[in-house]
Amino acid sequence: EAGVTQFPSHSVIEKGQTVTLRCDPISGHDNLYWYRRVMGKEIKFLLHFVKESKQDESGMPNNRFLAERTGGTYSTLKVQPAELEDSGVYFCASSRFSRGRSYNEQFFGPGTRLTVL
Amino acid sequence: DQQVKQNSPSLSVQEGRISILNCDYTNSMFDYFLWYKKYPAEGPTFLISISSIKDKNEDGRFTVFLNKSAKHLSLHIVPSQPGDSAVYFCAATAYGGSQGNLIFGKGTKLSVKP
Repeated sequence: EAGVTQFPSHSVIEKGQTVTLRCDPISGHDNLYWYRRVMGKEIKFLLHFVKESKQDESGMPNNRFLAERTGGTYSTLKVQPAELEDSGVYFCASSRFSRGRSYNEQFFGPGTRLTVL
Repeated sequence: DQQVKQNSPSLSVQEGRISILNCDYTNSMFDYFLWYKKYPAEGPTFLISISSIKDKNEDGRFTVFLNKSAKHLSLHIVPSQPGDSAVYFCAATAYGGSQGNLIFGKGTKLSVKP
């Protein structure tokens, strides 16, 4: 089974530019999450999709960030316009959907390292 | 304000000895706790978890202990191996782990010396 993939692995852009990150979850995983780690800090939740619907976007820092998951498959996270503080590693994770309270492991992708100059 | 805290940024242990990584949390609503392991340039990988109704979970060389009254959990690795050298993240969730997002600590970098 292929794991979670993310593209690109690295992106270097200038302040004010636009960047789009892509995540392909594990096939059959309805849950898709975006997280971000700023250097030296904790991994922070950004938002959660169940299929194509946004279940929780409480972690999105501001309206410069736009996430989509059309068709409930891959997801994109667009930052427009990018600011210096947006630099960090953006992780995507996916998991199976469960109706109960049993744990469904979140599988993480390798991340996209974004540098805003 | 951080809800999950890992106060030791790094830990160095000799091969074959025990590694103990600690984690504290503040939110009483957390009901599921996890440890993730991360190598450089890779995403976090799930290691072991524990439900709030238990106080211990063991998987091979890895054991997680939960002390709810102290809001503290720890990960024990016995015996430690050089391949265990990585950053370990403690995480918690308030939804029984089924669908909820994870709240992470800052991580502890473990170095196991041969």
